Amino acid sequence: DSGVTQTPKHLITATGQRVTLRCSPRSGDLSVYWYQQSLDQGLQFLIQYYNGEERAKGNILERFSAQQFPDLHSELNLSSLELGDSALYFCASSHGLAGPRETQYFGPGTRLLVL
Amino acid sequence: GQQVMQIPQYQHVQEGEDFTTYCNSSTTLSNIQWYKQRPGGHPVFLIQLVKSGEVKKQKRLTFQFGEAKKNSSLHITATQTTDVGTYFCAGYGGSQGNLIFGKGTKLSVKP
Repeated sequence: DSGVTQTPKHLITATGQRVTLRCSPRSGDLSVYWYQQSLDQGLQFLIQYYNGEERAKGNILERFSAQQFPDLHSELNLSSLELGDSALYFCASSHGLAGPRETQYFGPGTRLLVL
Repeated sequence: GQQVMQIPQYQHVQEGEDFTTYCNSSTTLSNIQWYKQRPGGHPVFLIQLVKSGEVKKQKRLTFQFGEAKKNSSLHITATQTTDVGTYFCAGYGGSQGNLIFGKGTKLSVKP
């Protein structure tokens, strides 16, 4: 158990819909990262937040947005969903600002299926 | 942009055989991390390498960082069924952004 929690574990929805994925980082960690894992694309970095502020952006679509709240939990919002958005979404956390040089602790993931 | 290539994509070995996965970057890396993801699980951090030519060992696992800091390898000696999973390398170029993950090497071990 990494100490990172994600809800829900599974999500099934239809094309065009909007969903929200939630992540709580490990106690004491200030950075949260979102990743998308699909079969053919591997693990793709989406976005990082540090203490409520956006710190780094990866290949995140405009239909996707995220935020980190004062209690440090984070939400990833996916809208106008397409079939290709079906994937496993991981949240990870690390202690501070040195993100790419810190150990990242991954949550169990949310499996999204868009029908 | 920066790319991290990992080979092979799949590796099937008999228990007791050795296994190696290779990671190559298009640019010089400031550091590289290795993660393991068991089937149905999430990535778990194994190790970080930061120095040119660095070699680190964890029991049967040996990690190397190339002299030019553009490649890395993970070698497992005498594989066991508990080694099954996908091994990812993740490199950071030192500028903006985050770790770039390779697509992983999926290891299966036949008992």
